[in-house]
Amino acid sequence: SAVISQKPSRDICQRGTSLTIQCQVDSQVTMMFWYRQQPGQSLTLIATANQGSEATYESGFVIDKFPISRPNLTFSTLTVSNMSPEDSSIYLCSALQLGSQYFGAGTRLSVL
Amino acid sequence: KQEVTQIPAALSVPEGENLVLNCSFTDSAIYNLQWFRQDPGKGLTSLLLIQSSQREQTSGRLNASLDKSSGRSTLYIAASQPGDSATYLCAVPSGTGANNLFFGTGTRLTVIP
Repeated sequence: SAVISQKPSRDICQRGTSLTIQCQVDSQVTMMFWYRQQPGQSLTLIATANQGSEATYESGFVIDKFPISRPNLTFSTLTVSNMSPEDSSIYLCSALQLGSQYFGAGTRLSVL
Repeated sequence: KQEVTQIPAALSVPEGENLVLNCSFTDSAIYNLQWFRQDPGKGLTSLLLIQSSQREQTSGRLNASLDKSSGRSTLYIAASQPGDSATYLCAVPSGTGANNLFFGTGTRLTVIP
């Protein structure tokens, strides 16, 4: 199974700033995903990140707010831009391998 | 649009009891279903993946079933232990051919020693 390393594990940020979250996979994968989990809720997909192409965003999420990079088959980043308190959530990355999705430990973001 | 519901939302059982968690989905055109556990403040751990052609999948004390036609899946946990306490999530691909997942609302399980 794929092992996903995500960092930072948590951060406290000021309103209006940006945070970049990194996600490293221990093997090459074609498809990676970024999810958000708001307090007390389940996971919602932000975007799909495939290497060599632009990320595909779900309804309600835009590239200006959540730019994503996917420079190679083992790495991706998600930036949360111009943060507001409403962005306080857990952000998780995942990778698809042999039909199963494997998740990182998540980044707990608090915006003051 | 796919909707995934999990019942109950929370469950408390004494240690040693067998239990069943339920998951229902509205669009039966899925090609697999995955069960995860999430510990507080942590990421997700994959428990079981059931392909649409399968009816059951087992791993240790866990057994997951899938009935596509009725849009239901169950996760059976035998001889529960305090270490099983977590939130359990089921997830299905969000559409035909999709690889991203649509998650249920989760069941928060507490196993009382």
